[in-house]
Amino acid sequence: RKEVEQDPGPFNVPEGATVAFNCTYSNSASQSFFWYRQDCRKEPKLLMSVYSSGNEDGRFTAQLNRASQYISLLIRDSKLSDSATYLCVVTDSGNTPLVFGKGTRLSVIA
Amino acid sequence: EPEVTQTPSHQVTQMGQEVILRCVPISNHLYFYWYRQILGQKVEFLVSFYNNEISEKSEIFDDQFSVERPDGSNFTLKIRSTKLEDSAMYFCASSRDSTEETQYFGPGTRLLVL
Repeated sequence: RKEVEQDPGPFNVPEGATVAFNCTYSNSASQSFFWYRQDCRKEPKLLMSVYSSGNEDGRFTAQLNRASQYISLLIRDSKLSDSATYLCVVTDSGNTPLVFGKGTRLSVIA
Repeated sequence: EPEVTQTPSHQVTQMGQEVILRCVPISNHLYFYWYRQILGQKVEFLVSFYNNEISEKSEIFDDQFSVERPDGSNFTLKIRSTKLEDSAMYFCASSRDSTEETQYFGPGTRLLVL
């Protein structure tokens, strides 16, 4: 059974804080990795793909450790608008089903 | 920016009734998916569809469920005889082709079975 595990949170942080999310996956054959963001009662939206070399998009940095089957997301200088649930997602390859973690809820407080 | 659309946004039905959830994927996309999310739980895969046939389905997608692409734009999910436990948010998603990993999600249909 393919599983993705995340700390459920919630993480309550002040504006400007740095926050880190972690995720582990069980299927060693997984090839593609993503972080999605989901606002309350809305659809998941792609935040960023995660590559083995690590990648950065503005305040967001994602890392992948294939040996440990571990994925991370770091948000620097958090904003009120970053408040959402962050979903760790893996898949075998393109066009195969996405396997979602349950998500980690983040609340950024003024 | 092109997006996936879904109708209706909300549907309330009686147990045992049939429902049809509708999706319009992004126009040049070739792969289509249905996922569901029960309140407070994770998003779960139901079925994927390519070249007018099901390419993969989960154990959730039993004989009560069916999918169809009745024309060049719509992609539907039918639940034949709804149960209370079918109450969930149903998301449609699409992706472009075999080289495109990103699946784009519609806004969802919230289904409530009474």
